[in-house]
Amino acid sequence: DVVVTQSPLSLPVTLGQPASISCRSSQSLVYSDGNTYLNWFQQRPGQSPRRLIYKVSNRDSGVPDRFSGSGSGTDFTLKISRVEAEDVGVYYCMQGTHWPYGFGQGTKLEIK
Amino acid sequence: EVQLLESGGGLVQPGGSLRLSCAASGFSFSTYAMTWVRQAPGRGLEWVSGSSGSGSVTTYYADSVKGRFTISRDNSKNTLYLQMNSLRAEDTAVYYCAKGLVLIDDWGQGTLVTVSS
Repeated sequence: DVVVTQSPLSLPVTLGQPASISCRSSQSLVYSDGNTYLNWFQQRPGQSPRRLIYKVSNRDSGVPDRFSGSGSGTDFTLKISRVEAEDVGVYYCMQGTHWPYGFGQGTKLEIK
Repeated sequence: EVQLLESGGGLVQPGGSLRLSCAASGFSFSTYAMTWVRQAPGRGLEWVSGSSGSGSVTTYYADSVKGRFTISRDNSKNTLYLQMNSLRAEDTAVYYCAKGLVLIDDWGQGTLVTVSS
């Protein structure tokens, strides 16, 4: 099975500063159709998850442009250019390329 | 607007059964794959089961629930189900219904399942 590993697991950030979360997979996430099914989700405290980014770098409608996704193959990154208070929560990457699909362990972002 | 409304959670004894439902609206349910994801208290997200969309339906299960859980859908009622049998303490979690399979986008609010004697 593909193992998806996030780092760091805890991310204290000062308001207005950038933040970066890494997601690494044990196998390439490029599917036979040429797409890479790596998605990013945000889960604010007490809420359901919300998708931010799909297929590595495509931002969902309504997601602030301070969020960006990048990467290829086995190495992916979610970046927040300037952290705001509303960004507090847990961030998960998810691979949908290889069965069984799965999530990373989650990265808890908090304000320092 | 997409809406996914889960129901059917509750307290059940080990070895018992529950059936979760997810009522969908705001999109063409029959044409979309659907997924169940769970989250144990204080833990991360765990992919549980998925169902492909229109045509010949294919179902998928995590190893942790294979043989015990069954996903199904009634496209005439725009409803997704998860039949859970032989429940264990480790199945205690909030169960989310989500639209999509490899590109999960919209999520419901979740329903809590507690397995305890």
